[in-house]
Amino acid sequence: DAGITQSPRHKVTETGTPVTLRCHQTENHRYMYWYRQDPGHGLRLIHYSYGVKDTDKGEVSDGYSVSRSKTEDFLLTLESATSSQTSVYFCAISELWAGTSGNTIYFGEGSWLTVV
Amino acid sequence: AQSVAQPEDQVNVAEGNPLTVKCTYSVSGNPYLFWYVQYPNRGLQFLLKYITGDNLVKGSYGFEAEFNKSQTSFHLKKPSALVSDSALYFCAVRAQTGANNLFFGTGTRLTVIP
Repeated sequence: DAGITQSPRHKVTETGTPVTLRCHQTENHRYMYWYRQDPGHGLRLIHYSYGVKDTDKGEVSDGYSVSRSKTEDFLLTLESATSSQTSVYFCAISELWAGTSGNTIYFGEGSWLTVV
Repeated sequence: AQSVAQPEDQVNVAEGNPLTVKCTYSVSGNPYLFWYVQYPNRGLQFLLKYITGDNLVKGSYGFEAEFNKSQTSFHLKKPSALVSDSALYFCAVRAQTGANNLFFGTGTRLTVIP
């Protein structure tokens, strides 16, 4: 296992409420990522971080924000949850940028979010 | 633009038979290619990757994949399927130059029938 812990693992929330998902790593890797997994779409990158307080958008970042105040923690926040954000969210880590020289990224166990 | 296609949503194979899960890709230039496996209610686990060199890549759990540049394919294979291989398999690609993101296919569900 890659030393990645996601919390909560399962959550049901109401439309319009804020939600924060947490990712904690024990590998001291520089790069951290948030993906969402939806049927028919595979995995899509939401946001990523390349260091403390350094973040950037992925391909499906609308409606999401992130923060990284410590190397080991990467938070994903849905400011006002919508039903379209019902999904499985995966945190991932890598030593180098995942697109650099084929560096491997490792995934957490996932957080199942349902917005009703 | 980069993309990955996994043309089969579902693959069924009998236990003990060889299995193939197909992946084709589209990138500008040379690719980095990956296979991941996902078991129910779990995260993705890395299986293998192609960076450069030998076109046949060997990975975890007896899996291997063959990079074919002319066909832009990276099919996952195993000589003898196990029931425990039943899972969801994802192919991913990134160009060696240019855009930095990894792009994932939509996944293929493999079922090994006892």
